[in-house]
Amino acid sequence: DTAVSQTPKYLVTQMGNDKSIKCEQNLGHDTMYWYKQDSKKFLKIMFSYNNKELIINETVPNRFSPKSPDKAHLNLHINSLELGDSAVYFCASSKRGSYNSPLHFGNGTRLTVT
Amino acid sequence: AQKITQTQPGMFVQEKEAVTLDCTYDTSDPSYGLFWYKQPSSGEMIFLIYQGSYDQQNATEGRYSLNFQKARKSANLVISASQLGDSAMYFCAMREGGNNRLAFGKGNQVVVIP
Repeated sequence: DTAVSQTPKYLVTQMGNDKSIKCEQNLGHDTMYWYKQDSKKFLKIMFSYNNKELIINETVPNRFSPKSPDKAHLNLHINSLELGDSAVYFCASSKRGSYNSPLHFGNGTRLTVT
Repeated sequence: AQKITQTQPGMFVQEKEAVTLDCTYDTSDPSYGLFWYKQPSSGEMIFLIYQGSYDQQNATEGRYSLNFQKARKSANLVISASQLGDSAMYFCAMREGGNNRLAFGKGNQVVVIP
């Protein structure tokens, strides 16, 4: 009965490769997010979707492309991976447009680029 | 500009004692929500407690309470009767009414010692 699940949990790959991270939520939420946590543990939003529509697109290299096939899924594809992309990527979901709605996070994907 | 400030260095707390984690925030939006999350060494992000800007009373959830001082723009987390399992990073976060994103502070590391 996992609420927000993302796969894989660990991803080790070489520079230049393309990889994807998948995320699914079963909470019935309309809004989904991708966050990046760097080596200093700082969490920064990358993207947000409301019901499959992109509503937040932070200053992220266009090598990162989110895709939301439906409101329960939000995937992240990364092209031409670089060393600096190494981080933990979190998927999250929440109720739409409500500032009192917490985000529910997946367990994270630790990406290591060598 | 940083909207959430957590400045305490890593903290050691004796088991069964209370610990207060400081958080100050900055916003001009009258409608906002304040959240605290826990991130243990296993990496997941766990939602702990929420305080709304219009809430008259401080939020409480079990051993967690939020000391909300609106005029000072502070939202400190108090953990009572610390347990070894409370050892983790704690993040303060804010979600503004007109904004769909949850902005995080840099976190506080807490280590509970027996």
